[in-house]
Amino acid sequence: GAGVSQSPSNKVTEKGKDVELRCDPISGHTALYWYRQSLGQGLEFLIYFQGNSAPDKSGLPSDRFSAERTGGSVSTLTIQRTQQEDSAVYLCASSPQQGAYEKLFFGSGTQLSVL
Amino acid sequence: DAKTTQPNSMESNEEEPVHLPCNHSTISGTDYIHWYRQLPSQGPEYVIHGLTSNVNNRMASLAIAEDRKSSTLILHRATLRDAAVYYCILRGGGTSYGKLTFGQGTILTVHP
Repeated sequence: GAGVSQSPSNKVTEKGKDVELRCDPISGHTALYWYRQSLGQGLEFLIYFQGNSAPDKSGLPSDRFSAERTGGSVSTLTIQRTQQEDSAVYLCASSPQQGAYEKLFFGSGTQLSVL
Repeated sequence: DAKTTQPNSMESNEEEPVHLPCNHSTISGTDYIHWYRQLPSQGPEYVIHGLTSNVNNRMASLAIAEDRKSSTLILHRATLRDAAVYYCILRGGGTSYGKLTFGQGTILTVHP
């Protein structure tokens, strides 16, 4: 596709339920990143992938959060037993290669609301 | 991670230049300086980046101090569409390259 695609755009769930958020990066981009943004706050790093491996998972808030990437393309962020504090916009980005000079292309995000 | 400091907010009038400052006194020699902006209800958008020399592109210019401890994003003629939160970010190498640290950014208001 032309840009980074995230689905769903909005997700409302009940506390305790599991959710899966999907990210389709720009075709050919080898690096993929997940961030989240709580209301009125800056972006919080969660995890990034180089290919299918995740060199840095340090931002995942707890063991309820996990992410995978298959085929060097699509990534899924899973949140188990959701809590109200998980409510936020989850943003995915991709970049052509790894490297400090590479620019990130962001999707529009998934708005997660935990009731 | 090296941190950046930006003013919380700035205002400008349409058609006027805007200079958005960023301090990064603990920058390392291999850190790139990146700028992103975020319009309401959208994901961040890349604006510009540089290492040592000043940079220009169709969106903006980036002026980097000689000691690299500060930089300035320059919008030459602000438009209403430039109203956004602007983030100044340092991006290093190694295994931490993917972990960009977004601070609170500068909220830019553009008046007609």
